[in-house]
Amino acid sequence: QVRLVESGGGVVQPGRSLRLSCAASGFTFSTYSMHWVRQAPGKGLEWVGVIWYEESDKEYADSVKGRFAISRDNSKNTLFLQMNSLRAEDTAVYYCARAPGYGIFDYWGQGTLVTVSS
Amino acid sequence: DIVMTQSPLSLPVTPGEPASISCRSSQSLLHKNGFNYLHWYLQKPGQSPQLLISLGSNRASGVPDRFSGSGSGTDFTLKISRVEAEDVGVYYCMQALQTVITFGQGTRLDIK
Repeated sequence: QVRLVESGGGVVQPGRSLRLSCAASGFTFSTYSMHWVRQAPGKGLEWVGVIWYEESDKEYADSVKGRFAISRDNSKNTLFLQMNSLRAEDTAVYYCARAPGYGIFDYWGQGTLVTVSS
Repeated sequence: DIVMTQSPLSLPVTPGEPASISCRSSQSLLHKNGFNYLHWYLQKPGQSPQLLISLGSNRASGVPDRFSGSGSGTDFTLKISRVEAEDVGVYYCMQALQTVITFGQGTRLDIK
């Protein structure tokens, strides 16, 4: 069955970096676009970015553009989110989601919590 | 970016009664291919979001038929014909017409 498992969250100081991973299984990872979505404590969902199955194509929300970078290793069925210059407002649960087409997110991971605090 | 506006933001419902959530977009979500790029998700308490309805009206696999989606262009509606206790949570609409995806604010459904 399809499974997405995020990891790498934790507490980090403002201005520092963190890399999240999303391990995929149960499907042919290389043929799907993958997204990151985040949810600040008690708030709604915010799209972070996407990487298409063509690894060179990526897009980001304005709130993270220039600071965050999405990558993938299709040989290891893993999605990454490199987060640099972290700010307090980046504190959130970060979800990865599979996108089979039409922008539909049909499977989501359980999320990993990132807390940016001094 | 396309702005998604949901109403109401809070929805208390008696079990067995119907419920309806509205979602409006600042631009038409109708693609030239004829599909509306509007999807609905439910986030149950303590869980990740789950897909309910795709492309405006297509129920996802395993979603009970008491859930239905309708609408086109800029106005969409999610309806629950008879609310059950397991339907509590926050419902989000999401547009995927543009590469920059946006969500509605969410509608919290509670049982009276």
